[in-house]
Amino acid sequence: TQLLEQSPQFLSIQEGENLTVYCNSSSVFSSLQWYRQEPGEGPVLLVTVVTGGEVKKLKRLTFQFGDARKDSSLHITAAQPGDTGLYLCAVNGSSNTGKLIFGQGTTLQVKP
Amino acid sequence: GAVVSQHPSRVICKSGTSVKIECRSLDFQATTMFWYRQFPKQSLMLMATSNEGSKATYEQGVEKDKFLINHASLTLSTLTVTSAHPEDSSFYICSAKGRALNTEAFFGQGTRLTVV
Repeated sequence: TQLLEQSPQFLSIQEGENLTVYCNSSSVFSSLQWYRQEPGEGPVLLVTVVTGGEVKKLKRLTFQFGDARKDSSLHITAAQPGDTGLYLCAVNGSSNTGKLIFGQGTTLQVKP
Repeated sequence: GAVVSQHPSRVICKSGTSVKIECRSLDFQATTMFWYRQFPKQSLMLMATSNEGSKATYEQGVEKDKFLINHASLTLSTLTVTSAHPEDSSFYICSAKGRALNTEAFFGQGTRLTVV
């Protein structure tokens, strides 16, 4: 079973539309990270959320950590073609080694 | 952020040969490095964790004799895919982390391996 369930897995929208990506789990986490990955590149960290109910904004991206710290969402307002990519949520594995466990990812395509 | 460099970015090799991928931390000492594998349109799956000067810890289902990891210095870890087969074709990504407990792990650019 997947520790982190991401949905949707694929999303194709027109430029200017809004979208939300979800990352859900039955486990509680001390923190959760969101990454964006472009084809042929490594993932790049967008944000880390640590407090239940926390909301962080990065330009047109809004990240929220659930009150119970079991889930998170990423909302993009007025999507642009440059937002196209694979969005991944991730949490730290056990024993605080720094290893990450990733969700399945959401492939976003924004058409001009 | 810190810089992690992977080399090569792309490699094509024949079945049965071995391929070495390097992961370097350019501006910090990486006490721990992680190797991930990613199939097309899928997420990253952790293969192994390596700490400088000690043996790597492999995730369940990853063959340690197939994927040799060496972390001989604080700035370099290598992954060698031995006796490669077409099913080993994948995107391999490393990340590196410094000594402090809560520091971020930085990712390399990835290496696209194609075995023909």
